[in-house]
Amino acid sequence: EDKVVQSPLSLVVHEGDTVTLNCSYEVTNFRSLLWYKQEKKAPTFLFMLTSSGIEKKSGRLSSILDKKELFSILNITATQTGDSAVYLCAVPGNVPSAPYGGSQGNLIFGKGTKLSVKP
Amino acid sequence: DVKVTQSSRYLVKRTGEKVFLECVQDMDHENMFWYRQDPGLGLRLIYFSYDVKMKEKGDIPEGYSVSREKKERFSLILESASTNQTSMYLCASSLQGVYNEQFFGPGTRLTVL
Repeated sequence: EDKVVQSPLSLVVHEGDTVTLNCSYEVTNFRSLLWYKQEKKAPTFLFMLTSSGIEKKSGRLSSILDKKELFSILNITATQTGDSAVYLCAVPGNVPSAPYGGSQGNLIFGKGTKLSVKP
Repeated sequence: DVKVTQSSRYLVKRTGEKVFLECVQDMDHENMFWYRQDPGLGLRLIYFSYDVKMKEKGDIPEGYSVSREKKERFSLILESASTNQTSMYLCASSLQGVYNEQFFGPGTRLTVL
């Protein structure tokens, strides 16, 4: 069964700290891994990773994938209170009955890491 | 900018009522998805659709049905609402294939009394 496991489930840090969020996965046919940030409303897209060892970076956020060990990390440096959110990791699943070999982009999500940044 | 809208932000219904949740996207996306999100359980896929009139069951389809008569609109139907369907419902859309991110609507918080 395809699954995504995130750790820790929650984390409390102070402004200026650096945090590392973890995501491990088991999927039949790996294509990509996605990170989302969810504040009070809808998840917003952060990164998509497809290749091992290539860091994706956006400001203070960065992410990297290890396809051999089946995990990804999301780093946030110099955290700010605005980084407080739930961070979600997801991988596309398989739908055998759908066209294109089942590669329809349906996502399997982890339970998320709730990050709280204190002033 | 991709825009995914949902018909209601908050909804209160009674047990046994038929409930319709509507989702509309304006970017001509082929794929549309319905999730529910509950504390400690994360986002779980209810149904998705990769084309008009096509639907696929997700992980938790029981008690739900869907309709996709037009490309831009994907409806989630609770045939007879129950208290265990109280949840946050999120709609999403994406282009075809696995290398396209999903864009989410603002969510509908449904309470079934």
